[in-house]
Amino acid sequence: KAGVTQTPRYLIKTRGQQVTLSCSPISGHRSVSWYQQTPGQGLQFLFEYFSETQRNKGNFPGRFSGRQFSNSRSEMNVSTLELGDSALYLCASSYSGGHYGYTFGSGTRLTVV
Amino acid sequence: KQEVTQIPAALSVPEGENLVLNCSFTDSAIYNLQWFRQDPGKGLTSLLLIQSSQREQTSGRLNASLDKSSGRSTLYIAASQPGDSATYLCAVLSSGSARQLTFGSGTQLTVLP
Repeated sequence: KAGVTQTPRYLIKTRGQQVTLSCSPISGHRSVSWYQQTPGQGLQFLFEYFSETQRNKGNFPGRFSGRQFSNSRSEMNVSTLELGDSALYLCASSYSGGHYGYTFGSGTRLTVV
Repeated sequence: KQEVTQIPAALSVPEGENLVLNCSFTDSAIYNLQWFRQDPGKGLTSLLLIQSSQREQTSGRLNASLDKSSGRSTLYIAASQPGDSATYLCAVLSSGSARQLTFGSGTQLTVLP
């Protein structure tokens, strides 16, 4: 059974650019959540999608957005990148919003220079 | 707002020791609590999931307990090995409409050979 797949693994972008990260959940899982991990702030919730609808959003600026497709794959977009956006972005897959636990991907390491 | 605290922040033990990691949370209205392991630069690996109605879960050398009323969980690792060296994270899924995990800041464990 395939796990949660995040692509790409590493990204280097310049300030002001935009970036799109991808997450493919475990087959049959309809919920995808995104988290940002930084040394200073730890793991912070970005948003959650279920059946193509955003159900919950964390306290991040509007530059952070996402979407989910009919096959449950999700993308996260960050526009007008800032140095502080450098982080490990983790995607989590769950069957029904976490009641049976979450499975995380390996993450995308984004570096903004 | 749910807050999760993990103590200690770092722990170094000789191989073979049994050890306990602590996690506390402020709001006892939770669905479940999940323990994760994170190796440097990697994603999160789920270790144990405890539902709010359960008192403990076991997997191999790991045992996690939950006392919802007091807002505490412990992760017990028996006969520690150098391969157990990693950061251990506790995460709580709160009740209510918001489907998001609240993470502690983690305990960085080093097991010395």
